[in-house]
Amino acid sequence: DAGVIQSPRHEVTEMGQEVTLRCKPISGHDYLFWYRQTMMRGLELLIYFNNNVPIDDSGMPEDRFSAKMPNASFSTLKIQPSEPRDSAVYFCASRSLSGGRGFGSYNEQFFGPGTRLTVL
Amino acid sequence: GQQVMQIPQYQHVQEGEDFTTYCNSSTTLSNIQWYKQRPGGHPVFLIQLVKSGEVKKQKRLTFQFGEAKKNSSLHITATQTTDVGTYFCAALSWGKLQFGAGTQVVVTP
Repeated sequence: DAGVIQSPRHEVTEMGQEVTLRCKPISGHDYLFWYRQTMMRGLELLIYFNNNVPIDDSGMPEDRFSAKMPNASFSTLKIQPSEPRDSAVYFCASRSLSGGRGFGSYNEQFFGPGTRLTVL
Repeated sequence: GQQVMQIPQYQHVQEGEDFTTYCNSSTTLSNIQWYKQRPGGHPVFLIQLVKSGEVKKQKRLTFQFGEAKKNSSLHITATQTTDVGTYFCAALSWGKLQFGAGTQVVVTP
């Protein structure tokens, strides 16, 4: 398996523009997480899905952020409109509840390489 | 929700020396996980501890879970330049991980 795939790897945009980040979790994983990492706030959980259903979105900063998971192999995080304070590295991660069978240890989370977002 | 506090925030280590980073919680944890993030990289899972007093070793890394399950430590012996990075502890609660702020480790040759 190629691991968790994220695109784009880098995104530079201007304030007010819409930004869409994409994630493909590891096949067979039933949990998907979106994180944001900044120097000031560290690693923050934004939202997570279980079997494509959003379970907890309490970490989403505000209504400008939205996330979807239309199927088990794809998720998007959208920011509209973007602001300079949204500049950060956004990570997607996936996990298998049961672990094993090549899915890693029980509860092990696999992170994607991240998308570095810069909003000018 | 529960929070995990990590100390120190930064650690400068001479190559060959040992060091320890600590993770503390005010509440009892069901388990604790450790991740390592290399500069410019993404967090990578190292280990999970579940049992009270549990100790696990991975080569030069020793992980420990406190008897009261409120703290954990990561001890690295004979530090190498490959140990550079940020080490995070994370507590699993209600299906999601609460990450500590991390300990950034710099190794001086």
